[in-house]
Amino acid sequence: ETGVTQSPTHLIKTRGQQVTLRCSSQSGHNTVSWYQQALGQGPQFIFQYYREEENGRGNFPPRFSGLQFPNYSSELNVNALELDDSALYLCASSPGGRYEQFFGPGTRLTVL
Amino acid sequence: QKEVEQDPGPLSVPEGAIVSLNCTYSNSAFQYFMWYRQYSRKGPELLMYTYSSGNKEDGRFTAQVDKSSKYISLFIRDSQPSDSATYLCAMFNNAGNMLTFGGGTRLMVKP
Repeated sequence: ETGVTQSPTHLIKTRGQQVTLRCSSQSGHNTVSWYQQALGQGPQFIFQYYREEENGRGNFPPRFSGLQFPNYSSELNVNALELDDSALYLCASSPGGRYEQFFGPGTRLTVL
Repeated sequence: QKEVEQDPGPLSVPEGAIVSLNCTYSNSAFQYFMWYRQYSRKGPELLMYTYSSGNKEDGRFTAQVDKSSKYISLFIRDSQPSDSATYLCAMFNNAGNMLTFGGGTRLMVKP
């Protein structure tokens, strides 16, 4: 059974640019959640997708947006990057109706 | 004030010790309670989760929830150097779609 995978592993962007991060959910999981983890902090919930629809959003501005595809993989898009967007971005998948969320290794984004 | 508070540590213990990790929370609507372990530069790994007040045991790990006090704990018996990591508590909102995490406690188990 393949776990949650994320790409790319690392990314460096400059302020004002746009970035797309990708996540492949674990086999059989139809729910994907995205989190932002700043250095030394716990992860913060960005949003969740269930069957291609947004199913909850945390306290993040609209320049953070996402998509979920029919195969349940997902993208996180961030526009107009700011220095504070530098963080580890984590994707977690879960089977529908279950509370366990399984995390991928994350994408480390650095904004210069 | 954060909704979920966790002592950041670091907590340093000798190998074989019993470790107690704790979180307090303020939102009485929180339902499921999870413990994750995160090694440096890796994603969090789910260790245990529980719903009701009381204890749940899995091998060397015991999770304890006291909803009346809004307090949860994770105990690790016979700690090993490989247990050295950051431990994150997390809990779900009513809708079951948003996990709120504590800041994590860094644990170091010395051989």
